Parts: sequence; structure tokens; C-alpha cells
Amino acid sequence: RKEVEQDPGPFNVPEGATVAFNCTYSNSASQSFFWYRQDCRKEPKLLMSVYSSGNEDGRFTAQLNRASQYISLLIRDSKLSDSATYLCVVRGGYNKLIFGAGTRLAVHP
Amino acid sequence: GAGVSQSPSNKVTEKGKDVELRCDPISGHTALYWYRQSLGQGLEFLIYFQGNSAPDKSGLPSDRFSAERTGGSVSTLTIQRTQQEDSAVYLCASSLAQRMISGTGMTSGANVLTFGAGSRLTVL
Repeated sequence: RKEVEQDPGPFNVPEGATVAFNCTYSNSASQSFFWYRQDCRKEPKLLMSVYSSGNEDGRFTAQLNRASQYISLLIRDSKLSDSATYLCVVRGGYNKLIFGAGTRLAVHP
Repeated sequence: GAGVSQSPSNKVTEKGKDVELRCDPISGHTALYWYRQSLGQGLEFLIYFQGNSAPDKSGLPSDRFSAERTGGSVSTLTIQRTQQEDSAVYLCASSLAQRMISGTGMTSGANVLTFGAGSRLTVL
């Protein structure tokens, strides 16, 4: 089983839609969680950290469910510019940051 | 520098040759990571440095891969006797040391990984 698993997608949604991605992780001792965004042929960039109580940044909401070992990302009012691959990231032992394979989002007009 | 700098940006080599990839992290960042990303795939962890030491080398695919970091700054990833399956983009990232903020479940902003643009390796 992979340490971090994501649905690869693609998720094809119209502008203005709400879309949600889930990610599961295998190490129950993991303490830190993040969502990164990667545009085509570009390096990943931090989108947001995921806090125990859940957190929101504009149109983006991240949630953590420790009991079920999954994190989620909700994007409201999707924009064309949201089209990208969204990477779930979990901090493991030795501070190793483990990336999921990513979920592709395509927002169309 | 202002960002993470990697060189070369592109490298084409013949099977069996050795290659060396360089990463110059953001000044003051003590943590440095190497990842590999094959076309259409996720990031594969290779190695992590805290200062000059590498507490976790478990991701290195084989003994043909090695990495070092000197002076707590520049790191080099060396691939000996390259094979076609080594073809990928090799990404380096750096960050400050991570710290948990007690009682909050949150970590300090030092968790932010800043990636370089990557070194695209093609082994013919």
C-alpha cells in the first residue's frame, strides 16, 4: 500500500463548480499535512497547510480526519486558473515529506 | 539567492555515463530534499538532508545513486552508470527546520518547501 494515495482523476468541472479531492495516508503517526499545487511542467508550490481543526483560505478549504486517516481539499467557485495537479503531502519519519501522485483538475468554460 | 537553483536544467546523456546534478538551496535553509518525477507520475522521495547529514536515504533507488551536501548549503546528486529508467525530472527543495507549535497541532511556517525548477535528465 502506498503511504499517500490520491485519486488521479482527471476531474473535469465547469467554471463555478465546487470540487473536492480526498487523500488517504497510511502512517497514523503522521503529524503534518499539506496540499501542493503543480502546474504542467512546473515545480510544485505550497497551496495550503492542513490543520487539525480544518482551515480555509479564500475559495479553498482543507480538512483533516485523523480517525479515518484522510485529508480533503474543497475548491469552491472553480476558476479556469485552478486547472492543475493537486498533490497531497504528509510528513513522515525523519521529517520526510511524502507526496501523493496527485489529482488532476481541469476547469472548463 | 532568492530561490532554489538547480543545474543543469537539461541533461542528455548516454546509457552508462555518470551524471552530477547540483542544487543550491535558499540561503539559511537547513533542510534539503531530492525528489524524482517521471513523466505523468508523482514525486518520488530520494533523500533528505538536515544540515550536512542525511538521516533518511531510503528513497535512493539503487547504489548507483548517491548524494552529498557540504557546508550546509549546496548539494549534489550523482548517478553512476546511468540507465534509461533514470530518465526523469530531478527536483530539489529546501526549507527551514520544521517545528511543531505546542498544543495547536500546527507547525511553523518553516514547513514550506520551495522547489527548484528541476533538472530534466534524459538517458539515451
